[in-house]
Amino acid sequence: EAEVAQSPRYKITEKSQAVAFWCDPISGHATLYWYRQILGQGPELLVQFQDESVVDDSQLPKDRFSAERLKGVDSTLKIQPAELGDSAMYLCASSLVSRYTDTQYFGPGTRLTVL
Amino acid sequence: AQTVTQSQPEMSVQEAETVTLSCTYDTSESDYYLFWYKQPPSRQMILVIRQEAYKQQNATENRFSVNFQKAAKSFSLKISDSQLGDAAMYFCAYTQGAQKLVFGQGTRLTINP
Repeated sequence: EAEVAQSPRYKITEKSQAVAFWCDPISGHATLYWYRQILGQGPELLVQFQDESVVDDSQLPKDRFSAERLKGVDSTLKIQPAELGDSAMYLCASSLVSRYTDTQYFGPGTRLTVL
Repeated sequence: AQTVTQSQPEMSVQEAETVTLSCTYDTSESDYYLFWYKQPPSRQMILVIRQEAYKQQNATENRFSVNFQKAAKSFSLKISDSQLGDAAMYFCAYTQGAQKLVFGQGTRLTINP
């Protein structure tokens, strides 16, 4: 069964350092999402890609966060510099582009701890 | 903006019993999708069940079923014959299609042996 891949699974860093997360969506899924999940809460969207284009980055803290999906397949989310409040689970999800099929499938996530 | 509310932070049920998790949402749209996701301690979000708003028939997946009340904007999840492996956080989520999921705060479900 096809799955969304993410790496690393865990990342510990010190504040002011740079971190990067990688996501490989299910093959053929044109839409890719990055969510942030703070402990005890539901995930919230950071950025949505349609192929290589950004569709929604309204909640992305652009002063420190960046995301790219250069060839419309895998994607990288970067934080520079990391702050204590960035400690969270970062989830990647993908879906087919279809008016009637809109299920998002999630990867295992990257748990970030900022010290 | 659309919102999703789960009013039960925690629920518990005896193994083999039935439990219902509640979810309400707010939207002015008529066409949308609703989901229940399960997140075990391993933290991977797993799809449990999906409902299209234009369908009147409630979705079912084995032991999992929903009660979708469109006029009341209610979308509850019923788990029958609860098993120990059902223990997890359960999230209700909404999307209009090809857009972000809006999640509720989650309900932690405990299964008592």
